[in-house]
Amino acid sequence: NAGVTQTPKFQVLKTGQSMTLQCAQDMNHNSMYWYRQDPGMGLRLIYYSASEGTTDKGEVPNGYNVSRLNKREFSLRLESAAPSQTSVYFCASREYTGNTEAFFGQGTRLTVV
Amino acid sequence: SQQGEEDPQALSIQEGENATMNCSYKTSINNLQWYRQNSGRGLVHLILIRSNEREKHSGRLRVTLDTSKKSSSLLITASRAADTASYFCATLLRGNNDMRFGAGTRLTVKP
Repeated sequence: NAGVTQTPKFQVLKTGQSMTLQCAQDMNHNSMYWYRQDPGMGLRLIYYSASEGTTDKGEVPNGYNVSRLNKREFSLRLESAAPSQTSVYFCASREYTGNTEAFFGQGTRLTVV
Repeated sequence: SQQGEEDPQALSIQEGENATMNCSYKTSINNLQWYRQNSGRGLVHLILIRSNEREKHSGRLRVTLDTSKKSSSLLITASRAADTASYFCATLLRGNNDMRFGAGTRLTVKP
């Protein structure tokens, strides 16, 4: 029962480098989300995908791109990493309709130096 | 800006006491949910209350929702050291699938 799987768990990047954070869920959920969490703070929504083929901006989309590759996978790309993007990134999924809960991955801890 | 704001930011109590956390939000919602996070790990869902509900219970958890005041409270009764964690409220905005979180309350339960 994997749930939501994020890779990698840890990553160190140099300023200007690019990378893609991967997220996959095996619960057949329509909706998927990317959040970032800075020390001592709550989660801020970067992008979400209500269903396969659609993506929408959240609170803090600048500097990020996303791809909903298929129903299972939702990736987050940093094209040119900046120190301000040092954070813990969480992926989540939930059913699109109804009053349903979200399930979270264990997070990717990203440091940009 | 974040949709929800929790109050207090931090709460420290003794085992056996009750813990109350509050959440205020800004816009119309479909539902409000409470999540728990242990030490920077992924969030775990605790309880969901719909916009047409006023109170809900689950074990030692009691959640209330006042849509006229755009606020919710989470009560944990008879707290245990294992309840030490951060607690977040999340709102699913009416009309879309946008789910936003508050800044959280850090609860410490001393044995």
